[in-house]
Amino acid sequence: GAVVSQHPSRVICKSGTSVKIECRSLDFQATTMFWYRQFPKKSLMLMATSNEGSKATYEQGVEKDKFLINHASLTLSTLTVTSAHPEDSSFYICSASGTGEDYGYTFGSGTRLTVV
Amino acid sequence: GQNIDQPTEMTATEGAIVQINCTYQTSGFNGLFWYQQHAGEAPTFLSYNVLDGLEEKGRFSSFLSRSKGYSYLLLKELQMKDSASYLCAAYNTDKLIFGTGTRLQVFP
Repeated sequence: GAVVSQHPSRVICKSGTSVKIECRSLDFQATTMFWYRQFPKKSLMLMATSNEGSKATYEQGVEKDKFLINHASLTLSTLTVTSAHPEDSSFYICSASGTGEDYGYTFGSGTRLTVV
Repeated sequence: GQNIDQPTEMTATEGAIVQINCTYQTSGFNGLFWYQQHAGEAPTFLSYNVLDGLEEKGRFSSFLSRSKGYSYLLLKELQMKDSASYLCAAYNTDKLIFGTGTRLQVFP
């Protein structure tokens, strides 16, 4: 089945630094990838839709200059949290459109970001 | 606007049956997903309903009524490992909109 690999799984960074999270579709081409954010004991909040070769579409209230998304190829999308602050600490999850019984929404394993 | 509601928490006993409800209001609707998520992990796919009615898959079943904007996930013969969050998500044209999630705790 479709597999989406997300790295790193955990990252701790200092306030003010930037962190890059990668999301790769391993055995299929993903023209569209989605980035979610999840606070403890809360549901997934869609941040942006990433389309290969074009600018990402951000949801209302998400700062595009803070959360930079690049989808340079059909198998890789990256999310960069710029000038991270403690309030950016969260669980970030990507998903990609693929094939299989999940009707095209395969999730990565998530990245736990802690900003200290 | 878009609104998807689920109960925040539920508890049940091992071996029992539990029904998790989900109501939705979205500007566009193409189907309803259910996902299971254990703490600290990514969601895993459980079911997808497009048409009205009940879809059964082993111990899990999912129901959809498009006219009522309503779905439920039915879990039978509950096991301890079923303790997790259950997320319903509306497929809205080209993206998934998630509900608040229901944390289910199964007791022995």
